Amino acid sequence: QKEVEQNSGPLSVPEGAIASLNCTYSDRGSQSFFWYRQYSGKSPELIMFIYSNGDKEDGRFTAQLNKASQYVSLLIRDSQPSDSATYLCAAKKKSSGDKLTFGTGTRLAVRP
Amino acid sequence: SQTIHQWPATLVQPVGSPLSLECTVEGTSNPNLYWYRQAAGRGLQLLFYSVGIGQISSEVPQNLSASRPQDRQFILSSKKLLLSDSGFYLCAWGQGYEQYFGPGTRLTVT
Repeated sequence: QKEVEQNSGPLSVPEGAIASLNCTYSDRGSQSFFWYRQYSGKSPELIMFIYSNGDKEDGRFTAQLNKASQYVSLLIRDSQPSDSATYLCAAKKKSSGDKLTFGTGTRLAVRP
Repeated sequence: SQTIHQWPATLVQPVGSPLSLECTVEGTSNPNLYWYRQAAGRGLQLLFYSVGIGQISSEVPQNLSASRPQDRQFILSSKKLLLSDSGFYLCAWGQGYEQYFGPGTRLTVT
């Protein structure tokens, strides 16, 4: 079982819709979680991180964390074609210092 | 503000040749530094990380090595490249929660 799992997609949504990206993790020692966006051929960009149960909002993005279910999600409201990219979920364990473990990413395609 | 540089941006090298990739960070001191590799269609694999000058931890046994000769400089090397070393090499820096990636070096071993 991979430590961080994501559906590879592609997830296709129409412009203006809410895109919901999901991530599960296997190690209950994971304490904080990160979402990165990676455009084709480019390096990952940090969108946001979350470490407390519940929701965290930043503009059009909302990260959700449910530690009991070992589940993290990223919601993108009012999706735009420019949001089309691969979204990487990463987890950090206190026992591993500052090292991140990444999922393989979910490809999002926003249709105009 | 902090900036991270990597070079070269792209590289084509024959099998058996040496490799040296460089990463430098500006605007911060004593960052944690990381080397990742992203092979085609695969996730990010942590190769090395460093918490200070001369302090290197290896995550995956392979023919690569890393060095940190200065606080904000991180170098990835190989004496002899393999075909399987092809990929997108990313340097990242972090302090506290976040990690930020450099622009990456795309390496093709032929």
